[in-house]
Amino acid sequence: ETGVTQSPTHLIKTRGQQVTLRCSSQSGHNTVSWYQQALGQGPQFIFQYYREEENGRGNFPPRFSGLQFPNYSSELNVNALELDDSALYLCASSLGGTGTTYGYTFGSGTRLTVV
Amino acid sequence: ELKVEQNPLFLSMQEGKNYTIYCNYSTTSDRLYWYRQDPGKSLESLFVLLSNGAVKQEGRLMASLDTKARLSTLHITAAVHDLSATYFCAVDGPRTQGGSEKLVFGKGTKLTVNP
Repeated sequence: ETGVTQSPTHLIKTRGQQVTLRCSSQSGHNTVSWYQQALGQGPQFIFQYYREEENGRGNFPPRFSGLQFPNYSSELNVNALELDDSALYLCASSLGGTGTTYGYTFGSGTRLTVV
Repeated sequence: ELKVEQNPLFLSMQEGKNYTIYCNYSTTSDRLYWYRQDPGKSLESLFVLLSNGAVKQEGRLMASLDTKARLSTLHITAAVHDLSATYFCAVDGPRTQGGSEKLVFGKGTKLTVNP
C-alpha cells in the first residue's frame, strides 16, 4: 500500500508567476484535501476534491484552484503568486469524502518560496 | 467560527519528566486528532479520538478527550529527546458549503526535550 506522495518537494517562484503542485493519494482513498501551512502556524484548509469535483473550500481566493483526476490524484494551481503564498503545501487523502476512523493521511508536502 | 487553541505553544523539558499539552476547541466536533510534525516534514498521525472519555496510549504519549469540556490533553510520560517535535491538535470543522469536512488545526506546541 503506497502512501500520499507530493511533487515537487521544493520550489522557488517569482511573484506574479503561476505554480502547479501535484499529489497522488493513498491507495484506496478517493478524496484529496489541500492545506497551506505558513511558517510557525498550523495548516489551513484550502479545498477538498471528491470524485473529481471541488466539494468544499476554505478562505482562499479564486487564484487558488485545483483538479482531481480519475485515478484520484490531484493538482493545486496558484496563479499570480504573492510573497505571502510562501508556505508548506500539504495534501491529505481520505476515503469517501469524510475522514476515516484512522484520520487523514498527509503527504510530505511541497515547500513553496515566492521571491 | 470554530477555534482551536493549544497551550503551551512552546515547551522545554528535561528528559525523564512528565508534562501535558492542552487543546481547547470552541464548538462541538465529532473527532479530535493529534499529529506530530518534525522540522520541514509532514504530519504524522498519532491519535484519533472519537468519543467523550476516549483515551489512547502509544508509548510515552497518552491522549484523552472530554467533549463536554471541549478539551483534549496529550500527556507525555518520562520524556526522551526523540519526542522533540511540534504537536498539533485538530478537530473536524463544520462542513463547508460544498459539504466537505475539513480539519481545523491549533497553532501547535513546539516541544524540546533536553538531555
